[in-house]
Amino acid sequence: DADVTQTPRNRITKTGKRIMLECSQTKGHDRMYWYRQDPGLGLRLIYYSFDVKDINKGEISDGYSVSRQAQAKFSLSLESAIPNQTALYFCATSDLRVGANVLTFGAGSRLTVL
Amino acid sequence: KQEVTQIPAALSVPEGENLVLNCSFTDSAIYNLQWFRQDPGKGLTSLLLIQSSQREQTSGRLNASLDKSSGRSTLYIAASQPGDSATYLCAVSGGGTSYGKLTFGQGTILTVHP
Repeated sequence: DADVTQTPRNRITKTGKRIMLECSQTKGHDRMYWYRQDPGLGLRLIYYSFDVKDINKGEISDGYSVSRQAQAKFSLSLESAIPNQTALYFCATSDLRVGANVLTFGAGSRLTVL
Repeated sequence: KQEVTQIPAALSVPEGENLVLNCSFTDSAIYNLQWFRQDPGKGLTSLLLIQSSQREQTSGRLNASLDKSSGRSTLYIAASQPGDSATYLCAVSGGGTSYGKLTFGQGTILTVHP
C-alpha cells in the first residue's frame, strides 16, 4: 500500500458543484500539505497543517478549504468548483523530527471542472 | 516573495550524454533545496536534498550542487539513460515563518532517446 493515498485519482465535475479530495497517510508524519500543479507552473501550495489543531493558508488558498480530521487525514474541499480549478492536486507529508523536511507525495488527484 | 526558475524548460538528449539542469531562486535565505522527479500520471519522488550549509549531494549518477549566495543549484546527470526521461523539479524551503513550505520551479522536461 502507498504511504500517502489520495482519493479520487480522477474526477470530472461541473461548475458550482462541491468537491472533496481526500488524503490519508501511514507514515505517522505530523505535517500535511495540499499543492496544485498546472502545466508549466510547477506546484503551488494551497494549505498546510503542522498538526491536527494547526491549519495555515498557502500561496493560493482562495476558493479552497481544508479539514485535518486526524493526524493521518487531510481533506481539501472546493465549495463551488470553477473551471480554473482544473488541475492536478497533490497531497504531501513531512516529519520535521527527522530534521530535513523531506516531503512524501501522493500520486495525485486529477480534477476537471467543466 | 521567493521565486524559483528552472532552465531549460525542456531538454532532449541522446542516451549516454552527461547533462545539467539549472535552478535559480531569488531569496537566498533558504533552509534547504530539493530536486524531485515526476513521471507522467504519478507523484513526485525526492531525488536529492541539500541543506543550506552544504555545497553538494550525490546519489548514484546524480549530483546536485548549491551556491546559496548566488541563488543557484544544478542537477548533473551522468551517462543519461532512457529511463531518466521525466520532469525534474527543484524546490526550496524557506526559514523563519516560511519554514517547512516548499516553493517549486516550473520543471524541466527531460527526454533521453536511445
